[in-house]
Amino acid sequence: QLHLVQSGAEVKNPGASVKVSCKASGYSFTDYYMHWVRQVPGQGLEWMGRINPNSRGTNYAQKFQGRVTMTRDTSINTAYMELSRLTSDDTAVYFCARERGSYSNGWSYYFDFWGQGTLVTVSS
Amino acid sequence: QSVLTQPPSVSAAPGQKVTISCSGSTSNIGNNYVSWYQQLPGTAPKLLIYDNNKRPSGIPDRFSGSKSGASATLGITGLQTGDEADYYCGTWDSSLIAVVFGGGTKLTVL
Repeated sequence: QLHLVQSGAEVKNPGASVKVSCKASGYSFTDYYMHWVRQVPGQGLEWMGRINPNSRGTNYAQKFQGRVTMTRDTSINTAYMELSRLTSDDTAVYFCARERGSYSNGWSYYFDFWGQGTLVTVSS
Repeated sequence: QSVLTQPPSVSAAPGQKVTISCSGSTSNIGNNYVSWYQQLPGTAPKLLIYDNNKRPSGIPDRFSGSKSGASATLGITGLQTGDEADYYCGTWDSSLIAVVFGGGTKLTVL
């Protein structure tokens, strides 16, 4: 049975960094890209980027370039998202999600499994 | 401001049908596939529709998807109180080189 289990809630001071983990089980971790999506309380979904667990290659949303780092540890089937220089605007629930992507007369990107979410609160 | 445009809210009575629209452009919906997600309060999003109109295993056929040009539609028939949730459309944007989502639509089953 496939699971994505994320680390627990975090409270950080402005200017600090946070690192959220996402442990995968039930499938071959290196066969699927892992994405990170965040949701500010009361707002919609916002894509942050993705990592190829096999190659370590990453693609980040322009908004987070320079502030986000996505990594993985294949020995424990875990993906990580680190966000630096936190402000109150970064208070949100952060989700990892497994990508199913392909190309056939257009790009097909969708997320078939999601982690439970990690609440990151930025407050002094 | 989301790249994809959805109505903020829709409502209908139990047993009725509702549709949720998702409008984009040629750089996203117009040339790529659309997916839809259901998010119940306090939970992670759940995949409902992928590749415009395909349902994952376990999703009832009360849920359907369609696409025409740069717009997509999610349809839900036989509404149940358990369908009350936020619904999001998503796709790839070839100009932004990013996954983009709609702002979400809150479904109320009256």
